[in-house]
Amino acid sequence: SAVISQKPSRDICQRGTSLTIQCQVDSQVTMMFWYRQQPGQSLTLIATANQGSEATYESGFVIDKFPISRPNLTFSTLTVSNMSPEDSSIYLCSVTAGINTGELFFGEGSRLTVL
Amino acid sequence: AQSVAQPEDQVNVAEGNPLTVKCTYSVSGNPYLFWYVQYPNRGLQFLLKYITGDNLVKGSYGFEAEFNKSQTSFHLKKPSALVSDSALYFCAVRDPFSGGYNKLIFGAGTRLAVHP
Repeated sequence: SAVISQKPSRDICQRGTSLTIQCQVDSQVTMMFWYRQQPGQSLTLIATANQGSEATYESGFVIDKFPISRPNLTFSTLTVSNMSPEDSSIYLCSVTAGINTGELFFGEGSRLTVL
Repeated sequence: AQSVAQPEDQVNVAEGNPLTVKCTYSVSGNPYLFWYVQYPNRGLQFLLKYITGDNLVKGSYGFEAEFNKSQTSFHLKKPSALVSDSALYFCAVRDPFSGGYNKLIFGAGTRLAVHP
């Protein structure tokens, strides 16, 4: 299994500001995934971050709004830019348990509230 | 389009009674199906999966799920519910077009409430 640490665990932000969420994994992983869980809703994949290349964004998500860094095999950041109240969500980092297993390990999430 | 449906927003059950949390899916080809659980203020935890083989899959914490191809269902079950099972449960299917890595499509979630 993989242990995933996210920072911050929660934050309250002002409209128009940006916040960077960090994700640290205790082992080297190829793929890291960033999910958003809006209040009372399911998880939606934002993007897939592969070390050494640009992140791949899902439909409805763009790099200008959610820039991602992946500087090495154990770390990634997601920035939520120019925040609005609609960005209030839990943001979850996850990694795969193995190719073609389908299993994911998740961090405990970063709960953002935008005022 | 690939999708997962969890028709119940909430399931209420008395402690000691059997529980079922429903899930149906729509996916091209053979499905990889999963159940995850989210306890309050925690990330998601893997419970069990079906990829191939026996239609009845056993997982963590005494949970099991039955794959039914004809009904395109993958319902989560437990013979005797515990109050500590109260949590948010997500059914998920692997996107068959995601290549070798694990892009999952999640259902809306079902909140399980087990009452003493």
